[in-house]
Amino acid sequence: KQEVTQIPAALSVPEGENLVLNCSFTDSAIYNLQWFRQDPGKGLTSLLLIQSSQREQTSGRLNASLDKSSGRSTLYIAASQPGDSATYLCAVPKMNRDDKIIFGKGTRLHILP
Amino acid sequence: EAQVTQNPRYLITVTGKKLTVTCSQNMNHEYMSWYRQDPGLGLRQIYYSMNVEVTDKGDVPEGYKVSRKEKRNFPLILESPSPNQTSLYFCASKPIISGANVLTFGAGSRLTVL
Repeated sequence: KQEVTQIPAALSVPEGENLVLNCSFTDSAIYNLQWFRQDPGKGLTSLLLIQSSQREQTSGRLNASLDKSSGRSTLYIAASQPGDSATYLCAVPKMNRDDKIIFGKGTRLHILP
Repeated sequence: EAQVTQNPRYLITVTGKKLTVTCSQNMNHEYMSWYRQDPGLGLRQIYYSMNVEVTDKGDVPEGYKVSRKEKRNFPLILESPSPNQTSLYFCASKPIISGANVLTFGAGSRLTVL
């Protein structure tokens, strides 16, 4: 059974610092992994999707890595800004199927001005 | 603009009064899905659809129905809502194409059942 864990549940970081968010999953036979951002009371916005054959993906100040063998992914945010404050969620398909998708509970990030 | 549109965005109803939350996407996506989000429980999948007339249960389908008569629409039906269905609901869609299967979410529908 696929389970997705994100630790810590909340994180506060001074503006300008680089930071890493963690996502772990129990079944390494995943089809892909996706990182999302959610602002309070809003929908989810896709940040990065990593296919199972890839090791990392980059978009601007964001870099997501994937290590299937260890069941881990990290989201690296460089030079954090107050606008980065949000909840970040990772999601993987359940049992290597692309239809049933399991979400972590997210890390609530607060960037201190 | 490519988007997933949900209506209503906010709804307060009473126990037992049937309601429908609509979801429409303009991206010609094959896959559509409904999730509910609750504090401490995160996002949980209710139902999903791989294409027209093809639907399947997610992890928490009890008390919900869906239909997929057209590719763009995927309504969520609560036949007899109960207070434990008070939640924030999200619809999402994606293409079923290898390498391009990014989920796009709607803005959410906050439902309160009294």
